Amino acid sequence: SAVISQKPSRDICQRGTSLTIQCQVDSQVTMMFWYRQQPGQSLTLIATANQGSEATYESGFVIDKFPISRPNLTFSTLTVSNMSPEDSSIYLCSVEEGTGSYEQYFGPGTRLTVT
Amino acid sequence: GQNIDQPTEMTATEGAIVQINCTYQTSGFNGLFWYQQHAGEAPTFLSYNVLDGLEEKGRFSSFLSRSKGYSYLLLKELQMKDSASYLCAVSRLSGGFKTIFGAGTRLFVKA
Repeated sequence: SAVISQKPSRDICQRGTSLTIQCQVDSQVTMMFWYRQQPGQSLTLIATANQGSEATYESGFVIDKFPISRPNLTFSTLTVSNMSPEDSSIYLCSVEEGTGSYEQYFGPGTRLTVT
Repeated sequence: GQNIDQPTEMTATEGAIVQINCTYQTSGFNGLFWYQQHAGEAPTFLSYNVLDGLEEKGRFSSFLSRSKGYSYLLLKELQMKDSASYLCAVSRLSGGFKTIFGAGTRLFVKA
């Protein structure tokens, strides 16, 4: 299975600033996803990161707030822009290996606190 | 839209059997996942059911009824390390395959 790393693992940021989270995979994958998990809650899909084209955002999430890059098949970034305390959450990237099943493998997550 | 329901919390005893139920309503249903998530960690894949019936994998089994929009995860011979959240998730086709997660069931295993 794919091994996924995320940077940073955690950060404390001031409101109004932006943070870029990196996701690195040890193999080439077609599908990469970004999720948010607020304390005590389940995962909410933010967007699908498409290689070579713009990300596909879910309802309630917009590119201006969460710009995503996917320059190649092993890397993606998610930026949380103009942060507010409501953005405090764990942000996780995940991948599908595309081997015929749809199971996802998750990165360790980035714990973001906005003060 | 879609809806996934599972109990918020369950408690069971070490060595026992526990069944965690999940009901769902969604269009474009493709299959149903169960993931395990320990506190402070990322979810890990447990099972994926596409067809009706029971699939067994060691101490864990997962069941799906597509006509009833129903699944369960069965954990046998419970161990303390099984204390975790169990996430029911639906794979649906909507402009590509997407996985939508339920709120999760927190399982507490007591001695």
